[in-house]
Amino acid sequence: GAVVSQHPSWVICKSGTSVKIECRSLDFQATTMFWYRQFPKQSLMLMATSNEGSKATYEQGVEKDKFLINHASLTLSTLTVTSAHPEDSSFYICSARGTSGGAGTQYFGPGTRLTVL
Amino acid sequence: AQSVTQLDSQVPVFEEAPVELRCNYSSSVSVYLFWYVQYPNQGLQLLLKYLSGSTLVESINGFEAEFNKSQTSFHLRKPSVHISDTAEYFCAVSEDTGFQKLVFGTGTRLLVSP
Repeated sequence: GAVVSQHPSWVICKSGTSVKIECRSLDFQATTMFWYRQFPKQSLMLMATSNEGSKATYEQGVEKDKFLINHASLTLSTLTVTSAHPEDSSFYICSARGTSGGAGTQYFGPGTRLTVL
Repeated sequence: AQSVTQLDSQVPVFEEAPVELRCNYSSSVSVYLFWYVQYPNQGLQLLLKYLSGSTLVESINGFEAEFNKSQTSFHLRKPSVHISDTAEYFCAVSEDTGFQKLVFGTGTRLLVSP
């Protein structure tokens, strides 16, 4: 149980285009979803926290107009990278937290590798 | 705010040897502590966590970690490692209230060789 999927697993796009990444909780309802960014050989950096039906809370330094997050349902959150540039190339990971698994437990998706040419 | 320090970026060990991956944290409030493992080309998986109660927590595959409040540490240990334990290990901390956002350390790559 507690499976989180992401789609696509990798994407290559041209500079200036927008890319949407989906994060789904497959077998539980995710009251809170998190979006992280991971650079090569580095740790995960939290970008934003979203609750279903509410606006996302962005971490300091993260451009909310560039990284649009929508948490439209208890099983789906999307991250849209708008007007992507090569510096946005990274590994994007989502996680979800529901009511199971005990306090604090987040279940992570497999990640999406974005390459902007 | 919380922070996590994993001093060892890489730990090479031989199969069947014991290993300890170090994790220290700082926080002004009560926290939950976690170890996550990331196998090559896979997502993060929860290995074990400390929420409250017994300071020694164990995973199903032989890892254990001990919460030491006075030393603000949560080191991960295994008495005998396998080749399959080769992975990146991340220590993380969160507040025990609110959104419980995770703050990760920089990770330790465990390399197990025959």
